[in-house]
Amino acid sequence: DIQMTQSPSSLSASVGDRVTITCLASQGIRKYVAWFQQKPGKAPKSLIYAASNLQGGVPSRFSGSGSGTEFTLTITSLQPDDFATYYCQQYESYPLTFGGGTKIQI
Amino acid sequence: EVLLVESGGGLVRPGGSLRLSCAASGFTFSPYTMNWVRQAPGKGLEWVSSIDSSSTFMHYADSFKGRFTISRDNAKNSLYLQMSSLRSEDTAVYYCARGLGGVVVTLDSWGQGTLVTVSS
Repeated sequence: DIQMTQSPSSLSASVGDRVTITCLASQGIRKYVAWFQQKPGKAPKSLIYAASNLQGGVPSRFSGSGSGTEFTLTITSLQPDDFATYYCQQYESYPLTFGGGTKIQI
Repeated sequence: EVLLVESGGGLVRPGGSLRLSCAASGFTFSPYTMNWVRQAPGKGLEWVSSIDSSSTFMHYADSFKGRFTISRDNAKNSLYLQMSSLRSEDTAVYYCARGLGGVVVTLDSWGQGTLVTVSS
């Protein structure tokens, strides 16, 4: 199974900050990474697929990069609506696996 | 608008069974791989199972092989998860999600989830 190691597990930030979250895959997964945002009591929302492609309607302050084993999600100029938990997911092979999550809090 | 609505969750005794359903609307259901993902209280996301468009291929996480069965009915635009031999550790919100990609998929649209509680 491919393990996704996400860091940090939590971070404190302020509105306007630039935030970067990293996911390391235990083996090469080309660009088959997605990123999700989840708010308390809500379903996850897809933000990015194929490492760097924004889903429709996702603000451009979100961006993704990486390939192989190292991937990043960057939020430029953090907004109040962005305080949430973020997950990466690999889809190079089954079983699909998620990172442990990064909680962004004030 | 893509809409996925899960149902069938509830309280079940350890060792019991439950069948979850996911009703899809707002898109053509049949070509998509469909998936179940769960989230235990206060925990992260855990993939459960995927089924391809024609029900030819079903994939399961090891934890669920032999206990859970995924199925679909394209005529009814519905996805199912039959769960048996339930354990307290299966207590979670179960999400239905649409797949995006090829043979292996990411998850581009999610339902609101249905809570399964396994307790005596």
